Order: sequence, then C-alpha cells, then structure tokens
Amino acid sequence: DAGVIQSPRHEVTEMGQEVTLRCKPISGHNSLFWYRQTMMRGLELLIYFNNNVPIDDSGMPEDRFSAKMPNASFSTLKIQPSEPRDSAVYFCASSPLGGSTDTQYFGPGTRLTVL
Amino acid sequence: EDQVTQSPEALRLQEGESSSLNCSYTVSGLRGLFWYRQDPGKGPEFLFTLYSAGEEKEKERLKATLTKKESFLHITAPKPEDSATYLCAVGSGTYKYIFGTGTRLKVLA
Repeated sequence: DAGVIQSPRHEVTEMGQEVTLRCKPISGHNSLFWYRQTMMRGLELLIYFNNNVPIDDSGMPEDRFSAKMPNASFSTLKIQPSEPRDSAVYFCASSPLGGSTDTQYFGPGTRLTVL
Repeated sequence: EDQVTQSPEALRLQEGESSSLNCSYTVSGLRGLFWYRQDPGKGPEFLFTLYSAGEEKEKERLKATLTKKESFLHITAPKPEDSATYLCAVGSGTYKYIFGTGTRLKVLA
C-alpha cells in the first residue's frame, strides 16, 4: 500500500490567495483526520471525518477554513483567504475500518508558507 | 481541560546511553495513550498504544510504560538512528487525540 498521500508537499502563496490541500487516505480506512502542526502548539486536530461525513470540525480555526470529503478516497482542506498565521505543516491521517481509530496513519504533510 | 505535557523538550545522548522521556497528562476518560516517532520532513509514525495503568510494551530498544498520570518511553542503549522527535498523545472520547509538543532526541555516535 502506498500509505496516505498528500499534495502538494510544499506550497508558498501570498496573503489573500486561496489554498487547497489534498489527501488520499489508505484504501479501506473509514476515518480521516486533518491536523495542523506548529512549533508552538504542536499537532492540533482540525476536523474529523467518519465514512465521509464530517463529525467534528470544532478545531477549524475560523470560517476561512473548510474541508470536504466527497468520497472515501479523497479529501480537501481549503483556506480562503490565506493569512501569514496559517503557515504551518498540515497533515492528513487515516484509520482502518473496524471501529478502532487508535492507530492513525499519517501522510507526509504539506508545508504551507503564506507570505 | 485535556492536556499533555512532554519533557524534556530536547535530549542529547551518547550512543549506548540509556534514558527516559516523560509524558504527563490530564484527561477526562482516557481512551488510550499513544506514542509516535516523527522524523524531519515526515509524518508521525505509530509506535505504541497503552490502555491501562501498569501496562508495558516493547519494540526493539524502546519500552513504553503507563501510570494513571504519566507515561514513560525508555530508550535502552540508543543508536544514532533513534534520533527523532517522539510524540505522546492521549485519546479522549471516541475519536479525539491530544498531542504533546514532543521531545527532540539526538543520539550522538
């Protein structure tokens, strides 16, 4: 299995631009998580999907952030408009079918820089 | 409020010099205590899950233990390839994870 795939790996954009991050979870996994990692705050859960349905988006910082999961093999995290404080590494993680969400498999992350 | 604190923030060891990393936590309804390893430029990689006080798990030179308030990751006779950031997380509720900010470990040859 290729593992969790994220694209792009690096993104540099200017303040005010729209940014879209993409994630392909491991096939057969029914849970998907988006995280943001910074030196100061560590890993923070942004949103959790189960069977393609958003269950908890309380970690989404504000209305500028949105996430979708149109099918079991694809999810996006969008920031519009982007701001310099959004600069961070964004990770997607998936967990297997069967009820256990204890083992999360992380993607390689997208390093976002907003100038 | 659920909280995870890891110490030390950074640790430098000589090859073969054993040590322990600490993860202290407060959580309402612990679902599990998780350890991950993160290499630079990569996503966290799962190591262990501990579910109850007194539980221990081992993998190569790593051993994780759990009490009601904290967990330790013991590293025995570390090698340079053990250099990484080690993250601790607690599971809260049915799906939430609260991560600590990690311990950056450097093992010198």
